[in-house]
Amino acid sequence: NAGVTQTPKFQVLKTGQSMTLQCAQDMNHNSMYWYRQDPGMGLRLIYYSASEGTTDKGEVPNGYNVSRLNKREFSLRLESAAPSQTSVYFCASRTGVETQYFGPGTRLLVL
Amino acid sequence: AQSVSQHNHHVILSEAASLELGCNYSYGGTVNLFWYVQYPGQHLQLLLKYFSGDPLVKGIKGFEAEFIKSKFSFNLRKPSVQWSDTAEYFCAVKEYGGATNKLIFGTGTLLAVQP
Repeated sequence: NAGVTQTPKFQVLKTGQSMTLQCAQDMNHNSMYWYRQDPGMGLRLIYYSASEGTTDKGEVPNGYNVSRLNKREFSLRLESAAPSQTSVYFCASRTGVETQYFGPGTRLLVL
Repeated sequence: AQSVSQHNHHVILSEAASLELGCNYSYGGTVNLFWYVQYPGQHLQLLLKYFSGDPLVKGIKGFEAEFIKSKFSFNLRKPSVQWSDTAEYFCAVKEYGGATNKLIFGTGTLLAVQP
């Protein structure tokens, strides 16, 4: 099993550009999550998907959209990137016993 | 709203020193509790978790944590740290049986172990 995979690993954008962060898991988990990690602020939930076909806002959803394409894939889209969205983005998926498994992260720099 | 506090932002220890990292949460109901570790350049990995039963839980790499319900705390401990324990440690809480299935993370504690 590859676990949770994320692409790209690193991306540089100019303000106003758009991009999609991809996440896939091969563990047959129902729930998937997107977090951002910023120094001194820990991990903050952006969006989550409790099951295929459903998505809900987390703590910091503004400026982002998500798509739960199927059970395996959960993408995060920035329609118009801003410098405040410079961060490390982690995708996670969850088993039925409450443990979340994290991907390797995507480092995003918005200039 | 639930919140998680990790009061130590940075901790510097020498090898073989004992470690205790504090974690307090605000939710008054039943909770599930977690400690995650992030080694430099890597993703988050689960260290240990508490769901119910014995409040002293043991995790990987010699770590343990004690759930003290009356203090709303879930402190992480290790008797003797190693240089390889240098990492960032995150405490997380989930409302037991909550419909949203969301984890609330603390802001993290950066541990540096000097050889």
